[in-house]
Amino acid sequence: QKEVEQNSGPLSVPEGAIASLNCTYSDRGSQSFFWYRQYSGKSPELIMSIYSNGDKEDGRFTAQLNKASQYVSLLIRDSQPSDSATYLCAVRGSQGNLIFGKGTKLSVKP
Amino acid sequence: SAVISQKPSRDICQRGTSLTIQCQVDSQVTMMFWYRQQPGQSLTLIATANQGSEATYESGFVIDKFPISRPNLTFSTLTVSNMSPEDSSIYLCSVLTGANQPQHFGDGTRLSIL
Repeated sequence: QKEVEQNSGPLSVPEGAIASLNCTYSDRGSQSFFWYRQYSGKSPELIMSIYSNGDKEDGRFTAQLNKASQYVSLLIRDSQPSDSATYLCAVRGSQGNLIFGKGTKLSVKP
Repeated sequence: SAVISQKPSRDICQRGTSLTIQCQVDSQVTMMFWYRQQPGQSLTLIATANQGSEATYESGFVIDKFPISRPNLTFSTLTVSNMSPEDSSIYLCSVLTGANQPQHFGDGTRLSIL
């Protein structure tokens, strides 16, 4: 059974700080990794995708992948109150579907 | 990315009835999926909707309870049959436009059963 683990939080950071969200996965053969943001009452929205070891930056967001450690992270720089949401880590399964972690609830305090 | 329209956006249903949820995409897509998100929980895959053939269901989900159709490459339906309060969830359609592309989600259907 492929699993994706996340700290459920809540993670609380002050406005302007760096928020660090972490995720581990069980299937060493996984190749595709995603971070989704989900506001309360809304559907998941893709934030980042990452396929290779190392860092991938997009604006205030940086995804980090370490396949040897089976670890994916998302850094949010200069956190804003509008970043307050649940962040879902997902790994692509063998059928093309996504396997989700339970999500980390982030709260950015003004 | 593809534009995904899901209907209805929400519904309140009586126990024992059935509801069909529609998912329409504005372009042909490789794969379509149906997920369930129970209150306070993460997303769980119900099934992969296969064009022109029977859907592939995940463990714990059966065709009699969640019949799925996919008549073409842009449209799919999920029916929640003989509903009980335990079926109160958000049901989400998701599409994959290519082998190395991310999945995108419709706005979801928020279903409450009384």
